[in-house]
Amino acid sequence: QKEVEQNSGPLSVPEGAIASLNCTYSDRGSQSFFWYRQYSGKSPELIMSIYSNGDKEDGRFTAQLNKASQYVSLLIRDSQPSDSATYLCAVRGGGGNKLTFGTGTQLKVEL
Amino acid sequence: KAGVTQTPRYLIKTRGQQVTLSCSPISGHRSVSWYQQTPGQGLQFLFEYFSETQRNKGNFPGRFSGRQFSNSRSEMNVSTLELGDSALYLCASSSEDNSPLHFGNGTRLTVT
Repeated sequence: QKEVEQNSGPLSVPEGAIASLNCTYSDRGSQSFFWYRQYSGKSPELIMSIYSNGDKEDGRFTAQLNKASQYVSLLIRDSQPSDSATYLCAVRGGGGNKLTFGTGTQLKVEL
Repeated sequence: KAGVTQTPRYLIKTRGQQVTLSCSPISGHRSVSWYQQTPGQGLQFLFEYFSETQRNKGNFPGRFSGRQFSNSRSEMNVSTLELGDSALYLCASSSEDNSPLHFGNGTRLTVT
């Protein structure tokens, strides 16, 4: 079992729709959770961080965390073509700043 | 504030050679981490340095090494290069524990 799992996609949504990206993790001791966006040929860019159960909203983005179910998700409202990218879920467990990444979900927002 | 700076951006090396990559973190950040990204394996953790000490190490062979200097700048070295070492090498810095990582633009290494 992979430590952090994501559906590789591609996930296709029409412009203006809500995109829902999901991630599960295996380490129950995980403390911090992050979503990164990576455009083709570029480096990962931080979108959201979440540390406690519940929802966290930032503009069009909402991160949701459920530690009991070991599940974290990212919702993108009013999806735009510029949101087309690979979204990486990352989880931090023990000491230090080591992040374990999922393999990413490719999102395509279609006109 | 300047972001994480990695040099060089591109490298082409031959099997058996060695290579050194450099990373300058965001000013004030003391934690520097290195990751390898390949299409097949995704982002894999190499190691993390904090205040010149290696704090975490990933599951890579000893050919991969790194260090951090007193100004928090970091270098990673790969010796006896193999074709499979071809990848995007990403450096990330963080201000403190539990803070997000901020990535540099990466060094794309091609081994021929």
